[in-house]
Amino acid sequence: KQEVTQIPAALSVPEGENLVLNCSFTDSAIYNLQWFRQDPGKGLTSLLLIQSSQREQTSGRLNASLDKSSGRSTLYIAASQPGDSATYLCAVVYMDTGRRALTFGSGTRLQVQP
Amino acid sequence: EAGVAQSPRYKIIEKRQSVAFWCNPISGHATLYWYQQILGQGPKLLIQFQNNGVVDDSQLPKDRFSAERLKGVDSTLKIQPAKLEDSAVYLCASSLRRQVGHQETQYFGPGTRLLVL
Repeated sequence: KQEVTQIPAALSVPEGENLVLNCSFTDSAIYNLQWFRQDPGKGLTSLLLIQSSQREQTSGRLNASLDKSSGRSTLYIAASQPGDSATYLCAVVYMDTGRRALTFGSGTRLQVQP
Repeated sequence: EAGVAQSPRYKIIEKRQSVAFWCNPISGHATLYWYQQILGQGPKLLIQFQNNGVVDDSQLPKDRFSAERLKGVDSTLKIQPAKLEDSAVYLCASSLRRQVGHQETQYFGPGTRLLVL
C-alpha cells in the first residue's frame, strides 16, 4: 500500500530555533513531492514542490530535500518565528498506472513559542 | 487573482440527511479536485475533474457521494444520506491543467466543515 508518514506528529520549539520536519514514502517511483502549510480553519498553501529529478528546493527560510532511494524528504525551517505555527503536510504523487492524485501524510503540528 | 471559493463554510446535519457543497475554482483552471480531510489526518482525494469530465473517482463512495462539474467551471459535491463518519472538512482545489509526468501547484479553498450528528 502506498503511504506517506510524517514524524513527529507535533513539535513545539522556542522562537529562533532551526528545525527539521520529516516525511517518508513507501515507493520510490514518484512524480514529485510537495510540502503544504495548513492554518486552522483554512485551506492548504503550497510551500515547495520538488520534481522527481530534483534533490532540493528553497524558498526564503524554507529548504526541502528529496531522497527517492531512501523514500525520505525533509523540510528545514531556519530561524523559526511564531508566525510559522501551523500544520505542515507532505504529499506525494506516486507513479502508479491509474491515479495521479496527491497522497498526503497526516501532518506535523508545529508550535513556535515567542 | 481570486482564490478558490467554497460554500457553505460550516454545516451541521443529522445522519441520513442530505447535504451539498459548492466550489468555484480559480478562473481558467481546468482541473478541479475534491478532498475529504478527517480530523487528525491528511486530505484524501475523492474525485478529480478535467474540465467537465471525471478522470479519477476511485475513492469516492458512490453509494452515497456524487459530484458534478457542469460546463467545466463550478462543481458541487453531494452526500445522500449522510453518516456519522462523514464528519470532516471537504476541501476543493484547482490547478491550471494536468499533464502526465508533471504536477502543477494545486490551490486550495478554505474548505467546508461538516458535522453529522
